[in-house]
Amino acid sequence: DTEVTQTPKHLVMGMTNKKSLKCEQHMGHRAMYWYKQKAKKPPELMFVYSYEKLSINESVPSRFSPECPNSSLLNLHLHALQPEDSALYLCASSPSAGGTNEKLFFGSGTQLSVL
Amino acid sequence: AQSVTQLGSHVSVSEGALVLLRCNYSSSVPPYLFWYVQYPNQGLQLLLKYTSAATLVKGINGFEAEFKKSETSFHLTKPSAHMSDAAEYFCAVTLYNNNDMRFGAGTRLTVKP
Repeated sequence: DTEVTQTPKHLVMGMTNKKSLKCEQHMGHRAMYWYKQKAKKPPELMFVYSYEKLSINESVPSRFSPECPNSSLLNLHLHALQPEDSALYLCASSPSAGGTNEKLFFGSGTQLSVL
Repeated sequence: AQSVTQLGSHVSVSEGALVLLRCNYSSSVPPYLFWYVQYPNQGLQLLLKYTSAATLVKGINGFEAEFKKSETSFHLTKPSAHMSDAAEYFCAVTLYNNNDMRFGAGTRLTVKP
């Protein structure tokens, strides 16, 4: 299994809703990532987990809350989002927690729309 | 901090023509460089990576890139474009033992019949 699986593929939510994005990999990778990608823009790093511990938080607003329950799963909890948070949210993993000189494996993303 | 700049947000070529997508990097230490491709509504897929082993790197789907330290460049080429190459291409950079991968703004490649 060489895939990173993200669910759901599409999500529409109101500004008062609470929802979660899920990401799963079974490649034994020790680092997992959340990226945000606005239309026609490059992915922007949000969070990095290394060995299930948060190692990078790129000053993301607290309405985004990551969680890494185990080495295969990564969640992104969403609460009180704004319309400008609408974007494609990409999960990725890499074999080594020590660095991304190895490649990132990306999921297909969750297209989020905030109304 | 490391960064990459992609020259040209949109490149259009005819089928069978040479593809050249430009990327320049900025880094105070030797970088690791990557090219990723993204098809609509999908995640990113690695085309190739440079990790200092060889300056000319061959990737998937006939793409290759050459690392030129003197020019701080890592341009992506393909001798003959195919319709299926139409996509968004991202150059990316990271440093050794660094989880922080930074992407360029992207170049949209269009292939005309």
